[in-house]
Amino acid sequence: SAVISQKPSRDICQRGTSLTIQCQVDSQVTMMFWYRQQPGQSLTLIATANQGSEATYESGFVIDKFPISRPNLTFSTLTVSNMSPEDSSIYLCSVVSGALETQYFGPGTRLLVL
Amino acid sequence: DQQVKQNSPSLSVQEGRISILNCDYTNSMFDYFLWYKKYPAEGPTFLISISSIKDKNEDGRFTVFLNKSAKHLSLHIVPSQPGDSAVYFCAAKANQAGTALIFGKGTTLSVSS
Repeated sequence: SAVISQKPSRDICQRGTSLTIQCQVDSQVTMMFWYRQQPGQSLTLIATANQGSEATYESGFVIDKFPISRPNLTFSTLTVSNMSPEDSSIYLCSVVSGALETQYFGPGTRLLVL
Repeated sequence: DQQVKQNSPSLSVQEGRISILNCDYTNSMFDYFLWYKKYPAEGPTFLISISSIKDKNEDGRFTVFLNKSAKHLSLHIVPSQPGDSAVYFCAAKANQAGTALIFGKGTTLSVSS
């Protein structure tokens, strides 16, 4: 399985500011995803981070609000821009790894926007 | 439109008994199903999976059953232990390149000693 780390693990931010979340994987992976889990809700896919090209966003998520970088096969960042309290959530990085192409998750970043 | 549904938000079981967590899906293109376990302040941990070519997969105390005609799967934990107390997420995907998982809302399992 892949070992995934995220930074920061948590943060409290003021509305209108931006936060960049980093995701580091211990091996090269092709597929990398960013999810959000709002309080009491399921995990919702924000986008697929593609290496060498622009991220692919799901319905309801746009690049201006959630810009993503994927400079190489072990690292990605997600920025939450111009934050509002509705962005308070857990943000999770996820990768596909192994022969069975199982999806693994990082520990998450807990974001609180005041 | 929720494609993966976990209709029971919570389940309470006594230690040593069986825990059965249920999941329904609507998309007939789904052909790979997974269960994840999540503790507070941690990311989801992969537990067990099943391909649509099987109807059962077992790993230690955990067994997943798949009923394709009913579009239903279940996770059985026997015997349940207090350390199993967590949120369990059912997830599904259509096994195509670049397809990410679709998750249910989760079921909170509480195992009492």
